[in-house]
Amino acid sequence: QSALTQPASVSGSPGQSITISCTGTSSDVGGYNYVSWYQQHPGKAPKLMIYEVSNRPSGVSNRFSGSKSGNTASLTISGLQAEDEADYYCSSYTSSSTPWVFGGGTKLTVL
Amino acid sequence: EVQLVESGGGLVKPGGSLRLSCAASGFTFSSYSMNWVRQAPGKGLEWVSSISSSSSYIYYADSVKGRFTISRDNAKNSLYLQMNSLRAEDTAVYYCASVGAAAGHDYWGQGTLVTVSS
Repeated sequence: QSALTQPASVSGSPGQSITISCTGTSSDVGGYNYVSWYQQHPGKAPKLMIYEVSNRPSGVSNRFSGSKSGNTASLTISGLQAEDEADYYCSSYTSSSTPWVFGGGTKLTVL
Repeated sequence: EVQLVESGGGLVKPGGSLRLSCAASGFTFSSYSMNWVRQAPGKGLEWVSSISSSSSYIYYADSVKGRFTISRDNAKNSLYLQMNSLRAEDTAVYYCASVGAAAGHDYWGQGTLVTVSS
């Protein structure tokens, strides 16, 4: 099972909006609404930010939003803040022989 | 408060074995499928293995199939990963996680470091 495709890095200035893409296939991202997004700060465990494409867990800022079109899911962060600087990973359920697949990760830099 | 606490990591020689444990609390562990996810130093997340709530369904990544065994004990609220024939490329932080659980109940432990080196 190949990893989902994410850009290696994105950047933005405080207050701006950025979008991170996550491209898979019809066997994973495109076929199921089980796409999650995680934020990971250095030395910390991943934290769930979005589940089932567009749902935010309790306690996650509404500046984070998720969407999906075809085989590509997206995470948008609006009103960028310094503390948003982190690595972001997408994951998806997959109909392959293994149930879950992760993206390669995107490093977000807040300029 | 939900807690997942991994233990059992450490330094092991190539070809050696290690057993990781994950102690769960604060949620109904027996109702959740559980996973092991690893992260090599400076690399991304890699799903390793999954086990269903009743242990009926078990899956492994191709990279560990035949060498790793996942198991659980619902009476002890614990998840395990038996790792045999370890290789240098298995060096990583191993996380216990309820990846993809319904309603966003996606919990992660703090991770335990496994280093395979001679």
